[in-house]
Amino acid sequence: RKEVEQDPGPFNVPEGATVAFNCTYSNSASQSFFWYRQDCRKEPKLLMSVYSSGNEDGRFTAQLNRASQYISLLIRDSKLSDSATYLCVVNRGARGSARQLTFGSGTQLTVLP
Amino acid sequence: EPEVTQTPSHQVTQMGQEVILRCVPISNHLYFYWYRQILGQKVEFLVSFYNNEISEKSEIFDDQFSVERPDGSNFTLKIRSTKLEDSAMYFCASSHRGGLNQPQHFGDGTRLSIL
Repeated sequence: RKEVEQDPGPFNVPEGATVAFNCTYSNSASQSFFWYRQDCRKEPKLLMSVYSSGNEDGRFTAQLNRASQYISLLIRDSKLSDSATYLCVVNRGARGSARQLTFGSGTQLTVLP
Repeated sequence: EPEVTQTPSHQVTQMGQEVILRCVPISNHLYFYWYRQILGQKVEFLVSFYNNEISEKSEIFDDQFSVERPDGSNFTLKIRSTKLEDSAMYFCASSHRGGLNQPQHFGDGTRLSIL
């Protein structure tokens, strides 16, 4: 089983749509969870950290379900500028590897005019 | 907003040559990292560095690789004898503290092409 698994997409949605991405992780010892976005051939940029209680940042809402080892990202009122690859990122969690981030392969989103 | 900066943006090197990739982490950050991304693949952890020593490294980070903080600002990744499969985008990252929930901030990368 992959350490971090995401649906690769692509998701093609019209402007203004709501879109949701899901991610599962295999290491129950993981303690830190993030969503990054990556534009084509650019660096990963932090979108938001994900907390157990769920958190929201403007149009973006992240949820974490530790029991199911599942993370989600909801984007409301999507904009053209939201077009990117969304990376689910988890720390490895094990002693001696706590700061290693493990990246999913990403979900590609294209927002259409 | 403070940024992680990396140089060069693109490095072309003959197989077997040594290459040094440079990074200037965000100034008040204490933890530094190198990741790589082979074209079309996911981002992979290489190494983390704190208090002038390696704190964690992956299976990829073998004896061909080394890291150094030669002065108070630069953080370098050296590959001693490059192979074709070292061709990738190399990202430097830094984080403020070592707490597990501290996000890592990435530089814009060095594209390494091995001929």
